Amino acid sequence: QVQLVESGGGVVQPGRSLRLSCAASGFTFSSYAMHWVRQAPGKGLEWVAVISYDRSYDYYADSVKGRFTISRDNSKNTLYLQINSLRAEDTAVYYCARGRYFDWPQNWFDPWGQGTLVTVSS
Amino acid sequence: DIQMTQSPSSLSASVGDRVTITCQASQDISNYLNWYQQKPGKAPKLLIYEASNLETGVPSRFSGSGSGTDFSFTITSLQPEDIATYYCQQYDSLFTFGPGTKVDIK
Repeated sequence: QVQLVESGGGVVQPGRSLRLSCAASGFTFSSYAMHWVRQAPGKGLEWVAVISYDRSYDYYADSVKGRFTISRDNSKNTLYLQINSLRAEDTAVYYCARGRYFDWPQNWFDPWGQGTLVTVSS
Repeated sequence: DIQMTQSPSSLSASVGDRVTITCQASQDISNYLNWYQQKPGKAPKLLIYEASNLETGVPSRFSGSGSGTDFSFTITSLQPEDIATYYCQQYDSLFTFGPGTKVDIK
């Protein structure tokens, strides 16, 4: 079955860096765009970043542009999110989600991983 | 940037009630609108895509409609397992989620 499993979260001091991973299985990873979405404690969903199936483009939310980098390794079926200069407001559960198939216009997040919690605290 | 609003922010209804949530976009997004359900402590789940298409395996009591800037999401007969927060999400220009509507049982 299609599965996404995030890892790499934890408690990190402000200003430090962290890399999150999302291991994909059960589908042809290299055929789909992939996203990161985050959710601060008790808050709503915030889209963070997307990378195309072939790494030809990536886009970011304004709130993370310049500090976050999304990447993927299609040979390892793994998605990454590099987070630099961590701030208290980055504290959230980070979910990876499968996006659209190749460049098809249909564009939704399905499925989602279980999420990994990042807590930024001194 | 496209902003999304939802109303109400929360509601309480009885089992069997019809529940409707509205979602409004700050500009025309055609039908580029999806709906998700998030149960407490769980990841979100896609319910409706392209404004009105029911995802495979999702009960038929869930439905969506609308286009342009105004959309609605309906549960025709609320069930106890529908307790969750529901989010709309646009993909006309990058991606934006609505603030969510929390649904519980009266």
